[in-house]
Amino acid sequence: EVQLVESGGGLVQPGGSLRLSCAAAGFSISNYWMDWVRQAPGKGLEWVANINQDGSVRHHVDSVKGRFTISRDNSKNLLSLQMSSLRAEDTAMYYCLGGPLFDYWGQGTLVTVSS
Amino acid sequence: QAGLTQPPSVFKDLRQTATLTCTGDTNNLGSQGATWLQQYQGHPPKLLFYRDNSRPSGISERLSTSRSGNTAFLTITGLQPEDEADYYCSAWDSSVSAWVFGGGTKLTVL
Repeated sequence: EVQLVESGGGLVQPGGSLRLSCAAAGFSISNYWMDWVRQAPGKGLEWVANINQDGSVRHHVDSVKGRFTISRDNSKNLLSLQMSSLRAEDTAMYYCLGGPLFDYWGQGTLVTVSS
Repeated sequence: QAGLTQPPSVFKDLRQTATLTCTGDTNNLGSQGATWLQQYQGHPPKLLFYRDNSRPSGISERLSTSRSGNTAFLTITGLQPEDEADYYCSAWDSSVSAWVFGGGTKLTVL
C-alpha cells in the first residue's frame, strides 16, 4: 500500500525553524519528482516547492525562497523541508506529494507560527 | 506568482451537470494543461486529473475534463451528494517555474 507520512510540524515562534519530513512506503520516491503543498486554515492550496528525482533541480515559491529548502534522501525514501525565519503567514497544513500522476498525498502535518 | 482563476462557489441540483471553470494564461494552462483536485473538509486533496486527461484509477467516469485555450473545464454529470466538495485546478507555470493553483470552487449539490 502506498503511503506518505509527514512529521515534524508543531508550534514555533516567529523567526524560528522547523524541519518537516515525509516518509514514503509502498513505492520508491527515487522515480519521481516530489512536492510540498500547504494550506492555511480555511484557505486554498499553495504550492511550496519541488525537487527532481536525483535532487539536482529544485524550485521554491517566491514567498519562501531563501527561507525554505526542499531536499530528499532516496536511500531512506525520505523527503524533507527545512524551514527557517518562520512567519505567521507560514501557518498551514503542509502536505507532501508525488507519484506517477502526483496522486500520492500524505495526511499533512500542521505548522503553527505564533508567539 | 499569479494564480489561476476559479469561481468561489457553484450551486447545482442533484442529478444535474456541473461544469467548473479555471482560467489561466499561455504560460500555464495554455501550454501545460490543468490538474484537478477534489478536497473534502478536513481531508487531504485527492487527484482527479493530471495535466488535462490523465486519470488515476478509481476516479468516476462521471467526471471529465476539457480545455479551450487558457481555460480548463471540469464537468461532473449526474451530480450526487458525495460530489459536494472543494475543487482546485493547478498547472505548472513555465514563466516562474512554479505550480500555480486556483483559489478553489466550492460545489454545493442541492
